[in-house]
Amino acid sequence: EIVLTQSPGTLSLSPGERAALSCRVSQSVSSTYLAWYQQNPGQAPRLLIYDASSRAIGVPDRFSGSRSGTDFTLTISRLEPEDFAVYYCQQYSDSPPQFTFGAGTKVDIK
Amino acid sequence: QVQLQESGPGVVKPSQTLSLTCSVSGDSISSGGDYWSWIRQHPGKGLEWIGNIFYTWNTYYNPSLRSRMTMSVDTSKNQFSLRLTSVTAADTAVYYCARKRSGWPVFDSWGQGTLVTVSS
Repeated sequence: EIVLTQSPGTLSLSPGERAALSCRVSQSVSSTYLAWYQQNPGQAPRLLIYDASSRAIGVPDRFSGSRSGTDFTLTISRLEPEDFAVYYCQQYSDSPPQFTFGAGTKVDIK
Repeated sequence: QVQLQESGPGVVKPSQTLSLTCSVSGDSISSGGDYWSWIRQHPGKGLEWIGNIFYTWNTYYNPSLRSRMTMSVDTSKNQFSLRLTSVTAADTAVYYCARKRSGWPVFDSWGQGTLVTVSS
């Protein structure tokens, strides 16, 4: 079973600052089937990044994703007020077919 | 633009069956390009994938819930459904329906979610 470990649990930053969120996958995966979602309070999650580094339609280019081995990073280059939210990473494994989410990182206003 | 809307009772008694329906507009369930999914979120917690279904009734279930769950589709109504039996307080959560594009292992469109509370 794949486990996704997100860190930090909470990131306190100011608008305009850069945010780097980490998602570590528990085992080596040959694919880049990792996605990032943003969730604002009381709302459904919204797809931001797929295939580790591709932005979904309509996602601003201040959001970017990267991968180094089993470590994945979501970077927000300059935080806007609407970016203060919870972010989840999600992985897919095909033996057996299963989708796993990380526990989330909350980005709040410092 | 696809829209998904969950419906069902907000309260279910312990040991009974939770039944939810997701109504889809802006996309046809039987188009063949998509899987249809249920995901839940316990209060104040993270996300848990429940299962996926294709319009041909091909399904993938979370192993931890497989023994208690059934997903189905109604192509005539463009809806899909979830049944979860023998519920306990641990099944209290916001339940989301979502779309997963075939060959693309992400959930690109979500319903607004519905809170289901298991309580007597």
